[in-house]
Formats: sequence, structure tokens, C-alpha cells
Amino acid sequence: GQNIDQPTEMTATEGAIVQINCTYQTSGFNGLFWYQQHAGEAPTFLSYNVLDGLEEKGRFSSFLSRSKGYSYLLLKELQMKDSASYLCAVRTYKAAGNKLTFGGGTRVLVKP
Amino acid sequence: DSGVTQTPKHLITATGQRVTLRCSPRSGDLSVYWYQQSLDQGLQFLIQYYNGEERAKGNILERFSAQQFPDLHSELNLSSLELGDSALYFCASSVDGSEGPARSSGNTIYFGEGSWLTVV
Repeated sequence: GQNIDQPTEMTATEGAIVQINCTYQTSGFNGLFWYQQHAGEAPTFLSYNVLDGLEEKGRFSSFLSRSKGYSYLLLKELQMKDSASYLCAVRTYKAAGNKLTFGGGTRVLVKP
Repeated sequence: DSGVTQTPKHLITATGQRVTLRCSPRSGDLSVYWYQQSLDQGLQFLIQYYNGEERAKGNILERFSAQQFPDLHSELNLSSLELGDSALYFCASSVDGSEGPARSSGNTIYFGEGSWLTVV
């Protein structure tokens, strides 16, 4: 099976930086995704890592260490609209294809 | 707009009934995934189809079934509904060539807006 862990909730101030950690244990690792989900809405794709290192996309960056089974999502210059749940998802590959499994999500609350 | 279309957006039905949720994947995507999200819960993987064939199965109840048609649209059938089945059901799609490990985010999974099911 797979185990994906991320904190349940985090609070940060507008303009600050927040780092959301995700640890996973899996076999057949084939990439890690971060999604943003506002309450009652569809998850939207933020970033993808398959190799070790940092991927930067504007205010959002994501880091992966495959040997440690660890990733983080960094949100810079926080805005009120960034208040949402952030989902870490691990893709695993088997002969039948790829499967994407989600962690429980981290609810981020941005305060003024 | 992700390009994944789900209908209906909202559905209210009684316990014991049966409903069908419909999903049209993004143009060119061969894989369809179904996820269930109950209130304040994470996304639970139900089932995946690739080009008409079942590829992976998650925590899908026996009362639930799905299929993918030749035109690649998919339906999720929920029967003998219980109060606990009330949830947001997401469909997602990806290219997912299934030929081997993905090298890029080209196999990113994109989600539809979801179907809200309320069982009363």
C-alpha cells in the first residue's frame, strides 16, 4: 500500500511564506503532484516533480527528495486567495498503468 | 476550465435509489479516474479506466460500478444508496499512455468540477 502524510492545517500571515511538507512511502514511485483545492471546488494542478530538486513556478515552488520520500510545497508572498487545501499526490507505476493517490490535504489559512 | 465535463452538477435522491454520474474526459485523454470526497475528507480513489478497460481499482464499494465507453466518456453507477454515500464525486482524466514511467507532467491528471450527490 501507500502512505502519504501531510499536516492537517497551517496558518500564515498575508505576505509571508509557508512550507507544506509531504512524506510518502510507496513502491513504483513515478512522480509527485501538488494540487490546490478550494472548498467545494475541483482540485487544480500546481506542480509536478519526478526528479530530485526544486521546481519553481511563480510564487509556488515544489521540492522532491526521492531517497527520503519527501516533498514540500513553498508558497511565497501569501495572498488571501491562497487560503485553500493543498493536496500532495503520489503517482505510482505498475504494469497496468499509473495510479494517483492523494494525501489528506493541508488546509492553509491566510490571515491579514 | 480543465476540459473535463461532469454531469449532473447537483443531485438529490432518496436512500435505496440508483444514480448515474457522467464524465467526458479532456480531448485526447484516454484515462478516466473517479474519486469520492466526503465532507472534510480527502480524495478517495475509486476506479480508473484506460481506453475502455478497467486499469486500477481503489476503495470502490460493490454497490458502485463504472464503465468507459468507446467514445471514452465514462459513467459511475451508484446503487442502493445510503446516507453515507453523500459526497462530491470527481472525475479526472489524463493522457496516461500506460506504456511506461512518465517522464514529464504530460500525464498530469485534470479534474472536472464534480457532481454533488446528496442522499436523503
